[in-house]
Amino acid sequence: TQLLEQSPQFLSIQEGENLTVYCNSSSVFSSLQWYRQEPGEGPVLLVTVVTGGEVKKLKRLTFQFGDARKDSSLHITAAQPGDTGLYLCAGARTGTYKYIFGTGTRLKVLA
Amino acid sequence: EAQVTQNPRYLITVTGKKLTVTCSQNMNHEYMSWYRQDPGLGLRQIYYSMNVEVTDKGDVPEGYKVSRKEKRNFPLILESPSPNQTSLYFCASSLSRLKGGTDTQYFGPGTRLTVL
Repeated sequence: TQLLEQSPQFLSIQEGENLTVYCNSSSVFSSLQWYRQEPGEGPVLLVTVVTGGEVKKLKRLTFQFGDARKDSSLHITAAQPGDTGLYLCAGARTGTYKYIFGTGTRLKVLA
Repeated sequence: EAQVTQNPRYLITVTGKKLTVTCSQNMNHEYMSWYRQDPGLGLRQIYYSMNVEVTDKGDVPEGYKVSRKEKRNFPLILESPSPNQTSLYFCASSLSRLKGGTDTQYFGPGTRLTVL
């Protein structure tokens, strides 16, 4: 059972467009992380959100943690080809140290 | 430079031949973990370790062993590899929540294993 549902799975957009990636669960998480993974490399952390309702911004990327700490979203404004990659959400359910990853969103930004 | 290293990066082996993939981190992290990444299934946790001599199963532990004799090292052992263990493996580490960590994991570069 996949406890972190990520959508969409694939996204191909033109440079300059905006997009949102969603990460949903029925479980409560103590925190959620967003990673980006390039081919042939390990995931690299983009952000960690900890508090319900929290919003974090990283240049053109905006991350939000749901009020109930069950879901999160990643919004990219004016996407650029350099944003191309696999985006992963991950977290450990409250009270555990077992991490769960979403299946990922493969983003391609065309110039 | 803070990093997680894995060796080897690539390995082709045959069914039943025992192998070990090493993982080492230089960040003095308490928590270490192994994952496998397969197309369509994402990253799945194999084993994790909260500290030296403390290990526990993740979601897919069958066919794997780990040990944590030193804080910096967390080797993954396949006693009798089978073709269904062909995968991309990642080691990761993070600071303990008890020391202010927020579950942020630092990943190694990956080990691509093929079992024939």
